[in-house]
Amino acid sequence: AQTVTQSQPEMSVQEAETVTLSCTYDTSESDYYLFWYKQPPSRQMILVIRQEAYKQQNATENRFSVNFQKAAKSFSLKISDSQLGDAAMYFCAYRSYFGNEKLTFGTGTRLTIIP
Amino acid sequence: GAVVSQHPSRVICKSGTSVKIECRSLDFQATTMFWYRQFPKQSLMLMATSNEGSKATYEQGVEKDKFLINHASLTLSTLTVTSAHPEDSSFYICSARDHPEAFFGQGTRLTVV
Repeated sequence: AQTVTQSQPEMSVQEAETVTLSCTYDTSESDYYLFWYKQPPSRQMILVIRQEAYKQQNATENRFSVNFQKAAKSFSLKISDSQLGDAAMYFCAYRSYFGNEKLTFGTGTRLTIIP
Repeated sequence: GAVVSQHPSRVICKSGTSVKIECRSLDFQATTMFWYRQFPKQSLMLMATSNEGSKATYEQGVEKDKFLINHASLTLSTLTVTSAHPEDSSFYICSARDHPEAFFGQGTRLTVV
């Protein structure tokens, strides 16, 4: 079974600065997807970014980028130019490429933005 | 991205009654939907996988007779909490897959009094 670990329960960053959230996972599969989801106080889960394991290039979405290290099974999220609206719980998630499509979530990191 | 609508967003019910929560994919068809439960300050716990036209697959430890799931069409799955008790009070979230991503409903806060 796959597991996802987020070792930082809480993080804080000054507005306009950069912060990196860590995620590691364990799997025996070679093909899979990794995701970062954001859950603001409204509790709506919002997809931030997606990475396919077969792609060597790190995914980027505007101010959000990932550092995907497949051999190390590491998938960190970098948020540049942090904004107040980035304050939320961030969940790292894993999904197999084939077969069972359920997401396996990490325990989450609560990100606070300091004005 | 795709839109998943969950209703109601909040519900309060009396102990012993049943509550139905709906999850709809508005602009895509979803053969598979997922139901999660989230306790305060915790991650999402998968309860069951809902398959259109067939029985749901429940995760270990989830009571299938208490949490009834029906996926009658390609756009609608329902979760019914039967004979609700205060310990069933929680935040319930559904999601649907629009390959390769999963999109989530707004969630339902259930309070059993």
